[in-house]
Amino acid sequence: QVQLVESGGGVVQPGRSLRLSCAVSGLTFSHYAMHWVRQPPGKGLEWVALISFDGSNEHYADSVKGRFTISRDNSKNTLYLQINSLRREDTAVYYCVTDRLFPGDLFSLYFDLWGQGTLVTVSS
Amino acid sequence: DIQMTQSPSSLSASVGDRVTITCRASQSISSSLNWYQQKPGKAPNLLIHSASTLDFGAPSRFSGSGSGTDFTLTISSLQPEDFATYFCQQSYSTPPAFGGGTKVEIK
Repeated sequence: QVQLVESGGGVVQPGRSLRLSCAVSGLTFSHYAMHWVRQPPGKGLEWVALISFDGSNEHYADSVKGRFTISRDNSKNTLYLQINSLRREDTAVYYCVTDRLFPGDLFSLYFDLWGQGTLVTVSS
Repeated sequence: DIQMTQSPSSLSASVGDRVTITCRASQSISSSLNWYQQKPGKAPNLLIHSASTLDFGAPSRFSGSGSGTDFTLTISSLQPEDFATYFCQQSYSTPPAFGGGTKVEIK
């Protein structure tokens, strides 16, 4: 079955960096655009970033632009999120999510299959 | 950027009740509106896409309606497993924003 498994979360000091990974199995990873979505504890959902199926297009939320970088390695079926200059407001569960695939679309912006999430806590 | 506003932020209801949640977009998004259900400690799950299309495996007691800026999620007869938080999300353009969520609690 399809699995998305995030890793790399933890407790990090403000200003430091972190790289999250998401290992995907059970589907043809290279066909899917991918997202990172985050959720601060007890709060709502915030879309963070999107990367096209081949890595040629990236989009970011204004709140993370310039600090976060989404990337992928289709040979390893893995999605990444490089997070720099961490702030306390970046504390959240970070989910890796597939974009719903529609023929002819670069991405649909439908959040289809979700991982279990990895918690990033920014604290001194 | 398009903003999404959901109401109410929470509600209490009994099993068997009809429940309605509304979502408003800050500009027209046609029918590019999706609904997600999230249970505590779990990732969200896509319930309805394109405003009114039930996603795979979603129970038929869930329905969605609306277009343009105003949308509604209806649960026709609330079941125990429906107590959760519901989020709307626009898929019209980037950034794909979510509403603030509606927590459905047991009365």
